Amino acid sequence: DAGVIQSPRHEVTEMGQEVTLRCKPISGHNSLFWYRQTMMRGLELLIYFNNNVPIDDSGMPEDRFSAKMPNASFSTLKIQPSEPRDSAVYFCASSPGPHGNEQFFGPGTRLTVL
Amino acid sequence: AQSVTQLDSQVPVFEEAPVELRCNYSSSVSVYLFWYVQYPNQGLQLLLKYLSGSTLVKGINGFEAEFNKSQTSFHLRKPSVHISDTAEYFCAVSEDTGRRALTFGSGTRLQVQP
Repeated sequence: DAGVIQSPRHEVTEMGQEVTLRCKPISGHNSLFWYRQTMMRGLELLIYFNNNVPIDDSGMPEDRFSAKMPNASFSTLKIQPSEPRDSAVYFCASSPGPHGNEQFFGPGTRLTVL
Repeated sequence: AQSVTQLDSQVPVFEEAPVELRCNYSSSVSVYLFWYVQYPNQGLQLLLKYLSGSTLVKGINGFEAEFNKSQTSFHLRKPSVHISDTAEYFCAVSEDTGRRALTFGSGTRLQVQP
């Protein structure tokens, strides 16, 4: 199994540009999570999906952030427009049911907004 | 809402010495508890988890943790550390309410010295 796949691994962009992060969960997993890691705030949940449906997006910082999961094998996290304070490592994780199972993390996307 | 406290931001220890990384949590409902490890520039990997049953949980790489409900703690231990154990360690909790997202502590940097 290839594990959770994220792309790109590194992204450098300028303030105001649109950024799209991509995630392919492990086949058969029905839950997908997006987390953000920064020095100041640590690891924070942004949003999670269960069976492709957004369940909790309370961690999405503001309207500039949006996430979609059009099918069981693909999810995107979009930031438009991007700001320097969005610079962080963004992790995608997936988990099989039921509740309490391990979450498997991808390698992360390091985003730098200049 | 739940919270996780890792009191030690850094723990220096000599190779082959024992180590304990502390984790305390707060929640109004039953929880599941996890320890993850993050090596530099990598995603998070599960070390061990407590869902129910025996309060002493054994994980990978010789680590173990003990769930103490009365003290709301889930401390991680290893009797003899190796240089390769140098990494960031995160304690995490999810509530037994069907909400699958993890709440992470701020992390403990374990630095194993020769």
